[in-house]
Amino acid sequence: QQQVKQSPQSLIVQKGGISIINCAYENTAFDYFPWYQQFPGKGPALLIAIRPDVSEKKEGRFTISFNKSAKQFSLHIMDSQPGDSATYFCAARGVYSSASKIIFGSGTRLSIRP
Amino acid sequence: GAVVSQHPSRVICKSGTSVKIECRSLDFQATTMFWYRQFPKQSLMLMATSNEGSKATYEQGVEKDKFLINHASLTLSTLTVTSAHPEDSSFYICSARSLTSPSSYNEQFFGPGTRLTVL
Repeated sequence: QQQVKQSPQSLIVQKGGISIINCAYENTAFDYFPWYQQFPGKGPALLIAIRPDVSEKKEGRFTISFNKSAKQFSLHIMDSQPGDSATYFCAARGVYSSASKIIFGSGTRLSIRP
Repeated sequence: GAVVSQHPSRVICKSGTSVKIECRSLDFQATTMFWYRQFPKQSLMLMATSNEGSKATYEQGVEKDKFLINHASLTLSTLTVTSAHPEDSSFYICSARSLTSPSSYNEQFFGPGTRLTVL
């Protein structure tokens, strides 16, 4: 029940295309869903996050779509660029508990072909 | 966003020695710090959670006598890998969270990681 399932494991997209990564969760106590971007040899950096009271959040080329009833959420990267090549992790956490911890998905290695 | 630093960025040590990794929150007070371990091409696995001034809470399967965590101040946490062995070689990442800063309430910020290689 604590898991966050992420797919695909790896993804290759042509420059300018749309990259889509999907995640699903079971625990309905989660109410904060961040996405992290990680480059090789670096720590993860927060990319964008959403709370379940909205179905979509957009920041620049990055959009999170959230389906509360299906317990699924996805990251869309529009006009994908070679600089977007990285590993992306979805995650989930309960916000209002001081003891809450982030549960990470398994990661998606994204490669953008020029 | 807030900045978390780690030192050293990479360390190589001999089997049987101990290694200390520092994690600092540079521009905010971290009421809670987290330590993660990441093996190549895998996700981040939480090792332990520490609150300033209290003992760390370790995840199941993590040896607390091997991975000593100290969170002595609101800006510094240390992870000491005692009697390190080659299987401890990994990428260690700390994360810090503030419950008091209005601009970053409950947000979790990650450090750049420390690459540990045990020979």
